[in-house]
Amino acid sequence: DTEVTQTPKHLVMGMTNKKSLKCEQHMGHRAMYWYKQKAKKPPELMFVYSYEKLSINESVPSRFSPECPNSSLLNLHLHALQPEDSALYLCASSPWTRAQETQYFGPGTRLLVL
Amino acid sequence: LAKTTQPISMDSYEGQEVNITCSHNNIATNDYITWYQQFPSQGPRFIIQGYKTKVTNEVASLFIPADRKSSTLSLPRVSLSDTAVYYCLVVRGDSSYKLIFGSGTRLLVRP
Repeated sequence: DTEVTQTPKHLVMGMTNKKSLKCEQHMGHRAMYWYKQKAKKPPELMFVYSYEKLSINESVPSRFSPECPNSSLLNLHLHALQPEDSALYLCASSPWTRAQETQYFGPGTRLLVL
Repeated sequence: LAKTTQPISMDSYEGQEVNITCSHNNIATNDYITWYQQFPSQGPRFIIQGYKTKVTNEVASLFIPADRKSSTLSLPRVSLSDTAVYYCLVVRGDSSYKLIFGSGTRLLVRP
């Protein structure tokens, strides 16, 4: 299995909702990442997990809460989001934790906040 | 990390060779140059990575001059399916994990 899967593909939520995005990889990768991508913009790094521990938080608002329950699974919990948080949320993984490792991206979850 | 500059868009025709140049004037000695491709509504996909001189794989070549202040991604004989956004990145060769994507080049391949 050489892919990163993300669910759901699409999500619509109100500003008072709580929802979660899920990412899974079964390649034995040690690092996992969350990115946010607005339309016609490059992906922006949000969080990095290394060996299931949070290594980098790029000053992301607390309404985004990541979680890594095990080495194959990465969640992003969403609460009290704003309309400007609408974007494509991408998950990625890499074999090791060095920046020059190839990152394997999932197809993303397209989020719309109303 | 070195900031990258690349053309906003490029047009080409099927069967032509496409060269996309990226500028990274402030590249450090332990930085690598990496290119990703992204189709609409998909995650980016790794194309190629290099440190110096020339790297070639089954889909592209990467040319890096001796001063490493720029690099050129070469796509041989493009097809319509190569229409995508191509990102040039400079990544630090340590444990900083950081990938900072540049603004990308939108390549349109015409029939």
